[in-house]
Amino acid sequence: DIQMTQSPSSLSASVGDRVTITCRASRGINNYLAWFQQKPGKAPKSLIYAASSLQNGVPSRFSGSGSGTDFTLTITSLQPEDFATYYCQQYDTYPRTFGQGTKVEIK
Amino acid sequence: QVQLVQSGSELKKPGASVRVSCKASGYTFTSYAINWLRQAPGQGLEWMGWINTDTGNPTYAQAFTGRFVFSLDTSVSTAYLQISGLKAEDTAVYYCARGRFDSSGVPDYWGQGTLVTVSS
Repeated sequence: DIQMTQSPSSLSASVGDRVTITCRASRGINNYLAWFQQKPGKAPKSLIYAASSLQNGVPSRFSGSGSGTDFTLTITSLQPEDFATYYCQQYDTYPRTFGQGTKVEIK
Repeated sequence: QVQLVQSGSELKKPGASVRVSCKASGYTFTSYAINWLRQAPGQGLEWMGWINTDTGNPTYAQAFTGRFVFSLDTSVSTAYLQISGLKAEDTAVYYCARGRFDSSGVPDYWGQGTLVTVSS
């Protein structure tokens, strides 16, 4: 199975900060990488697919980049509603696998 | 608007079976796959597999073969997850998520989740 490793596991940030989360795959996955946001007690929300394409309705402050094995999710100006846990997922190979999550907390 | 509405929480004894439903609306059901995912308490997301709603063909992650079955009733735009021989470690929230056929089934819309608790 492809291992997905996110860093950091958690971070503290303030409203308005620029936040970057990285996701590394144990082998190349082309650009078959998605990002999800999950708030406590809620279902995940899809943010990005194909490494950099925004899902419908996702604010433009979210962006994704990368290819091969290294990917990033960037939030350009953190808003109060962005405090959540973020997961990456590869969908290049079966089984689809997730990173362990990055919790974004309020500083 | 696209909606996936899942059935309610379940409390089951070890060895029992459970069926979780996922009713889709707001789009053509057979034009998108349905993924099933699991999240154990306090843990991350785990992909269980998906089902092609056009052909009915399921694909299971290795960890979810044997006791887990995906099925469909396209007449009511509903996907089902059946788990037999429940174990305590099956206690989790189970999610369905619509998958884009043009993007290898990557989820775009999610159900609200169904908590399955297995306890004697």
